[in-house]
Amino acid sequence: DIQMTQSPSSLSASVGDRVTITCQASQDISNYLNWYQQKPGKAPKLLIYEGSNLEIGVPSRFSGSGSGTDFTFTISSLQPEDIATYYCQQYDDLPITFGQGTRLEIK
Amino acid sequence: EVQLVESGGDLVQPGGSLRLSCAASGFTFSSYWMSWVRQAPGKGLEWMANIKEDGSEKYYVDSVKGRFTISRDNAKNSLYLQMNSLRAEDTAVYYCARELVHSGIDWFDPWGQGTLVTVSS
Repeated sequence: DIQMTQSPSSLSASVGDRVTITCQASQDISNYLNWYQQKPGKAPKLLIYEGSNLEIGVPSRFSGSGSGTDFTFTISSLQPEDIATYYCQQYDDLPITFGQGTRLEIK
Repeated sequence: EVQLVESGGDLVQPGGSLRLSCAASGFTFSSYWMSWVRQAPGKGLEWMANIKEDGSEKYYVDSVKGRFTISRDNAKNSLYLQMNSLRAEDTAVYYCARELVHSGIDWFDPWGQGTLVTVSS
């Protein structure tokens, strides 16, 4: 199975900060990577697909980059409504696997 | 509006069985792969199984192979997960998700609200 390692596991930042989360795959997955946002008590929501493509309706402050084994998810200016847990997910091979999540809090 | 509504979650004893359902609306159900993803309390997301548009292909994570069965009824716009030989570690919120599978693309959107399965004596 492809292991997805996210860092950090948790993060505290201030409104307006630039926030970066990394995701490392245990093998080359090309750009077959998605990012999801899960707010407390809610279902996950797709934000970024194919490594860097913004889902329709998602604010442009969210972005993704990377290919191969190393990926980055960035919020350019943190907003209060961005408090959530963020997950990366690979689909290069079955089983589909997720990172362990990054919990984002407001400082 | 695209909507997925899960049902069937319950408290069940170890070794027991349960059948989850997911009712789909707002899109052409028979045109999409569908998946089940679970989340243990306070933990991350774990993909369980998926099924092709016409039900001809099914894939599972190793931990549930032989115990769980995914199925669908396109006439009823419904997805199912039959869970047998349940264990305490199967305790989780189970989400169904529409899976868009296309050349170079595979993502889950949207997800249902989830249904809680608790395995305990």
